Amino acid sequence: QVQLQQSGPGLVKPSQTLSLTCVISGDSVSSDSATWTWIRQSPSRGLEWLGRTYYRSNRSKWFNDYTLSVKSRITINPDTSKNQFSLQLNSVTPDDTAVYYCARGDCRAGSCRDTHWGQGTLVTVSS
Amino acid sequence: DIQLTQSPSSLSASVGDRVTITCRASQSISYYLNWYHQKPGKAPNLLIYAASSLQSGVPSRFSGSGSGTDFTLTISSLQPDDFATYYCQQSYSPPLGFGQGTRLEIK
Repeated sequence: QVQLQQSGPGLVKPSQTLSLTCVISGDSVSSDSATWTWIRQSPSRGLEWLGRTYYRSNRSKWFNDYTLSVKSRITINPDTSKNQFSLQLNSVTPDDTAVYYCARGDCRAGSCRDTHWGQGTLVTVSS
Repeated sequence: DIQLTQSPSSLSASVGDRVTITCRASQSISYYLNWYHQKPGKAPNLLIYAASSLQSGVPSRFSGSGSGTDFTLTISSLQPDDFATYYCQQSYSPPLGFGQGTRLEIK
C-alpha cells in the first residue's frame, strides 16, 4: 500500500524559500511507472499543478516538468537514499499561501493519473 | 498550456438523481482526462482515468466518456457520500492542469 507523508514548516516569511518533503512508503521514487508531483490549492487559484519528477530506466535519467508560472522559482528533487522527494519554492510572496499536496502518479499506456496523495500541508506566507 | 473548463460551476441535486458534469479542453487531448472528487479538508480522490476507466475501488455508479475536447462525468444515482467538489485534469501534456471544479450540493 503506497503512502505519502508530507513534512515541512507551515509558516514562511516573504522572500524566503518554501521547503517541503514527501516521504514514500510502499513504492520507490525510482519506479519506472510512477511520477512524483507537487500540487497546491488555494481559494484564488483552485487546484494548481506545480511540477513533477520521475525516472525512466530506458533513458537512465531523471526528468522534471514545471508549470510556467513558477518555473523560475521551483525545484523538485528526488532523494533515492531516503526514498522521498522535495519541493523548493524560492522568493515566496503571500500569493504562494496554499495547501500543498504531494502525489504519486501512476503512468501506464501513456496515461498518468494521481492515485495517491499526501495529507496536505497548509503553508502561510507572512511576516 | 491546455485550459480546462468545467460546467456547471455548481449543482444542486437530490439523493438518487442522475448527474452529469462536463469538461471542455482548449485543444484536443485525445482520451487523456482524469476525474477526481474532493471533500472539505481532504486530498482529491481519483475516480476515472483515461476518460472512461474506473479506478479500482470506485463504485460503478461513476462513469466517464468523451475524447478530443469534450468529456463528461456521470453519476447514475447520487448517494449521500457523493456530495463533494469534482475536478477534471488533463494528462496529455505538462503542466497537467485541472478544471476550476464543480461543487455538487444537496438540494
